[in-house]
Amino acid sequence: DGGITQSPKYLFRKEGQNVTLSCEQNLNHDAMYWYRQDPGQGLRLIYYSQIVNDFQKGDIAEGYSVSREKKESFPLTVTSAQKNPTAFYLCASSMGEAGGPRDTQYFGPGTRLTVL
Amino acid sequence: QKEVEQDPGPLSVPEGAIVSLNCTYSNSAFQYFMWYRQYSRKGPELLMYTYSSGNKEDGRFTAQVDKSSKYISLFIRDSQPSDSATYLCAMSGDDMRFGAGTRLTVKP
Repeated sequence: DGGITQSPKYLFRKEGQNVTLSCEQNLNHDAMYWYRQDPGQGLRLIYYSQIVNDFQKGDIAEGYSVSREKKESFPLTVTSAQKNPTAFYLCASSMGEAGGPRDTQYFGPGTRLTVL
Repeated sequence: QKEVEQDPGPLSVPEGAIVSLNCTYSNSAFQYFMWYRQYSRKGPELLMYTYSSGNKEDGRFTAQVDKSSKYISLFIRDSQPSDSATYLCAMSGDDMRFGAGTRLTVKP
């Protein structure tokens, strides 16, 4: 059963702590993405990766870090430098790079991060 | 001005109504247009995908693109309570951009 999985579903963090959100896909997609979703603001791109061992900053990368050591996995670390980390985080994947039908993105179920 | 504008609603309609959801955009490079449906506390799921101007129909859903006006629409016929969700438009060209989403409630 192909798809994208994210874990955990809910995550609580104390201020000053780093946390890592997991994203795994078995769709054999080359590209993977991390978005942040806040009420009334839609999806904002944090980081994306078009190929293993390479990734690019999105619109709001400050306070976040990623790695892409395997095609299937694209974990996101929310660092203590992120000033307002409470949000719903969505991972997505697509067949190819931006532009064109290969860019249609498929989303995971999301992780809700709350900073206490 | 945002690249993609979408009325956030909320939009509330009775069951069986025709629903019209819309987005406008400013970037002429967008060529591929998508609609996603997102249920509460879930990830968005791809609903419709269209390329360039024209209409595309899938069951009760019709996606319409007017590139000359930079305007896209999603129509839902015979709306059902199960259609209650947030609908996100998305468009792709040089990169991909999403609308903020319109929250729809269909009342029985």
